[in-house]
Amino acid sequence: QQPVQSPQAVILREGEDAVINCSSSKALYSVHWYRQKHGEAPVFLMILLKGGEQKGHDKISASFNEKKQQSSLYLTASQLSYSGTYFCGTEMRTGNQFYFGTGTSLTVIP
Amino acid sequence: DTEVTQTPKHLVMGMTNKKSLKCEQHMGHRAMYWYKQKAKKPPELMFVYSYEKLSINESVPSRFSPECPNSSLLNLHLHALQPEDSALYLCASRLEADSSYNSPLHFGNGTRLTVT
Repeated sequence: QQPVQSPQAVILREGEDAVINCSSSKALYSVHWYRQKHGEAPVFLMILLKGGEQKGHDKISASFNEKKQQSSLYLTASQLSYSGTYFCGTEMRTGNQFYFGTGTSLTVIP
Repeated sequence: DTEVTQTPKHLVMGMTNKKSLKCEQHMGHRAMYWYKQKAKKPPELMFVYSYEKLSINESVPSRFSPECPNSSLLNLHLHALQPEDSALYLCASRLEADSSYNSPLHFGNGTRLTVT
């Protein structure tokens, strides 16, 4: 039930770009993205609802391919504040379960 | 500042103790969640309440007993826990549990539980 994310970890220099992928074996209704900094609660970034939909949030954007049951998070011109663990969160059309992906640790260094 | 408040922040308990975790939100959310998170792992779904009724129990051992006294409050009662139950317990809420409402989860800062 748990979506699989890749890569597991990535280290970037400030200004570099990164892509984080989330893949599910189940048909998805929506995909959320959250960021969790060490010792803190996960914080909501964005939600994607439809196949092929793309959304943006500052220099962070995401896409959702409903047919492939995959979502990707794009971080461009990374900043130190982007460091943390990124989780996709997924749910199906019916049922109230909300599952998090395996997580991707992102570290941005100067 | 988080709008979901969890208490206590830290809890140390023995295997024979009984304790409770508390979660409170005043955003008018109708769905509340308990997640368990081990170090360097994703949050693992435990329970979902919708309109104060238990909607999902992810086959959680009976030593964990959830309770939702009203729409703003969620408790997790703990009894006879094992050391492997040590983890960060996160509470979350959202407007509705139904996916069609497209509402994000709002998390509390969690309770760090250590079972000795």
